[in-house]
Amino acid sequence: DTEVTQTPKHLVMGMTNKKSLKCEQHMGHRAMYWYKQKAKKPPELMFVYSYEKLSINESVPSRFSPECPNSSLLNLHLHALQPEDSALYLCASSLKLRGRIFWELFFGEGSRLTVL
Amino acid sequence: KNEVEQSPQNLTAQEGEFITINCSYSVGISALHWLQQHPGGGIVSLFMLSSGKKKHGRLIATINIQEKHSSLHITASHPRDSAVYICAPIGDRGSTLGRLYFGRGTQLTVWP
Repeated sequence: DTEVTQTPKHLVMGMTNKKSLKCEQHMGHRAMYWYKQKAKKPPELMFVYSYEKLSINESVPSRFSPECPNSSLLNLHLHALQPEDSALYLCASSLKLRGRIFWELFFGEGSRLTVL
Repeated sequence: KNEVEQSPQNLTAQEGEFITINCSYSVGISALHWLQQHPGGGIVSLFMLSSGKKKHGRLIATINIQEKHSSLHITASHPRDSAVYICAPIGDRGSTLGRLYFGRGTQLTVWP
């Protein structure tokens, strides 16, 4: 199984809603990432988890709240978003072994978020 | 200043043509990804390389670490190769360690 699975594929939410994006992998990868991608732009790193601990937060607004409940699962909780947060949210993972990360990234298909 | 420069930005080819996409970068890197993104979303890693040359089917990637340059070649291009191709070097030290620097991508369209 070399897949990173993201759900939902599409999400439409109002600015007062609370929703979550989910990412799952069963490759034994211990580094997991959230990226945000606007149309015709490259992805921007948001968060990195290493061994289920948050290791990088790229100054992301607190209306985005990541969570890594176990080594296979990564969530992104969304609350009080703005229309400019509409984007494709990509999850990725990579193998981390004895402190070294092997940098080959496996990406999910993304969750396309529209904030009304 | 962009750490990664990709060219061309847009590329149109006839089926069967040989395609080359170039990537130059200014950061110190541990390796470099070539990524493919189809319309509507998901990204696939085509190659990760840190030296020399790799080949998968009709795809060939090369890297010259001294010249800070990488190329992606597609032989006998096919309409299903139409996608955005992104060069993403991986930083190798300090605060850049493990960080992906994304190029702006090359939109490839292959016509039958």
